[in-house]
Amino acid sequence: RKEVEQDPGPFNVPEGATVAFNCTYSNSASQSFFWYRQDCRKEPKLLMSVYSSGNEDGRFTAQLNRASQYISLLIRDSKLSDSATYLCSDDYKLSFGAGTTVTVRA
Amino acid sequence: ETGVTQSPTHLIKTRGQQVTLRCSSQSGHNTVSWYQQALGQGPQFIFQYYREEENGRGNFPPRFSGLQFPNYSSELNVNALELDDSALYLCASRAGRPPYEQYFGPGTRLTVT
Repeated sequence: RKEVEQDPGPFNVPEGATVAFNCTYSNSASQSFFWYRQDCRKEPKLLMSVYSSGNEDGRFTAQLNRASQYISLLIRDSKLSDSATYLCSDDYKLSFGAGTTVTVRA
Repeated sequence: ETGVTQSPTHLIKTRGQQVTLRCSSQSGHNTVSWYQQALGQGPQFIFQYYREEENGRGNFPPRFSGLQFPNYSSELNVNALELDDSALYLCASRAGRPPYEQYFGPGTRLTVT
């Protein structure tokens, strides 16, 4: 089993919609988790860190469920500029998921 | 910008050759990790260096090796290049203590022909 697995998507949503997707992790020793955004052929950019149950930053909310070993990312009021691949990562083995592709359409 | 730089930006090599990629970490960061990202996949962890010592390695063969220098910059060396080594190679740096967020450089795109 991979250490970090993600909903692959793609998620195709209209502007203004809410979209949410999950990332599961296998190592219970992981303490911190991170969401990154990656645009086509660019490097990942840190979006949010998750240490406790969750974190919120504007339209973005990350939740951590340690019992079920997953983290989620919710994007409210989607913008065209939110179209990207979203990667999750843990801090234990620095593993990344394969990414969730989100496309926001006008 | 993250302050992490990588060189070169692009590189084309022939199968069997050797390549060295370079990374300068963000100021204040003493830990550097290298990742390989093939098209359509997530970054795969190659190895991590902390204070000039390798302290973690992913499932990559020994022909992938690295170095970290006293100024915390780092090199990734790949010997006996194979076609499957064609990928984006990413370097990420972070502090050696919490929070453990990693910040990525722009990457080196390697093509092996």
